[in-house]
Amino acid sequence: AQSVSQHNHHVILSEAASLELGCNYSYGGTVNLFWYVQYPGQHLQLLLKYFSGDPLVKGIKGFEAEFIKSKFSFNLRKPSVQWSDTAEYFCAVTPGGYQKVTFGTGTKLQVIP
Amino acid sequence: NAGVTQTPKFQVLKTGQSMTLQCAQDMNHEYMSWYRQDPGMGLRLIHYSVGAGITDQGEVPNGYNVSRSTTEDFPLRLLSAAPSQTSVYFCASSYTFGNPLGQGSSYEQYFGPGTRLTVT
Repeated sequence: AQSVSQHNHHVILSEAASLELGCNYSYGGTVNLFWYVQYPGQHLQLLLKYFSGDPLVKGIKGFEAEFIKSKFSFNLRKPSVQWSDTAEYFCAVTPGGYQKVTFGTGTKLQVIP
Repeated sequence: NAGVTQTPKFQVLKTGQSMTLQCAQDMNHEYMSWYRQDPGMGLRLIHYSVGAGITDQGEVPNGYNVSRSTTEDFPLRLLSAAPSQTSVYFCASSYTFGNPLGQGSSYEQYFGPGTRLTVT
C-alpha cells in the first residue's frame, strides 16, 4: 500500500520568505500527486496536481510543485509567502489508475506579518 | 451546484449511542469517500465507494458502516460511538478515473464542510 510522508509538521515564516514543504511517497509504480490546502475553519481545497507530463506544475495563488520521480518526492514551493497563506497543507497520492487517495499528515504553515 | 453537503455540522454523542452522518453531492460523481481528521494524523480514509451499490473499506473502517443506494448520497453510520471516534469527519467526491468528464478537473476530490463529532 502507498504511504505519504510530510516531514515538516509546523513551519513558521515571515511574510515574503520563500517556502518549501517536503512530500515523499512510497509506491513503485505510476502515481498521481496532489497538494491540498485547508484554511482555518474551512474544508480542503485543491492547490495543484500532477498526473503526467511536465514535472513542474503550477497551481493557484502562486504555488508550484516539482515531481522528482527518482526521489519519490513532490515538494511544494512558493517564492514569497503572504499572511493569507497561513493554513494546513496536505500532500496526497493515488497509484495510477486507482481511486484510493492517501494523505500525508499535513504541515501547518504560520506566516507572521 | 451545492457541491458536497454534510449534516450535521456539530454533534455530541454519549458512548454507545449510534448516529448517521449525512453526505450528499449534486455533481454526479461516481466516487465518494469518508475521511476522519485528527491532529497530527492528517486525513485517514474510512470507507469509499466507486458507484451506487459498491463500497469498500479504507484504512480505519472499524466502528463505521456505509451504504450507497444512490449516486448522490453516501451516509456514514456509527454503530456504537466510542470516545476514540471523536474527530472531524469529511466527505469527498470526484469523478472516477477513466470517466472523460473528470479530465478537466484532473479527478480532483471535492470536500464537504465537515462534521465535528464529540463522543463523551
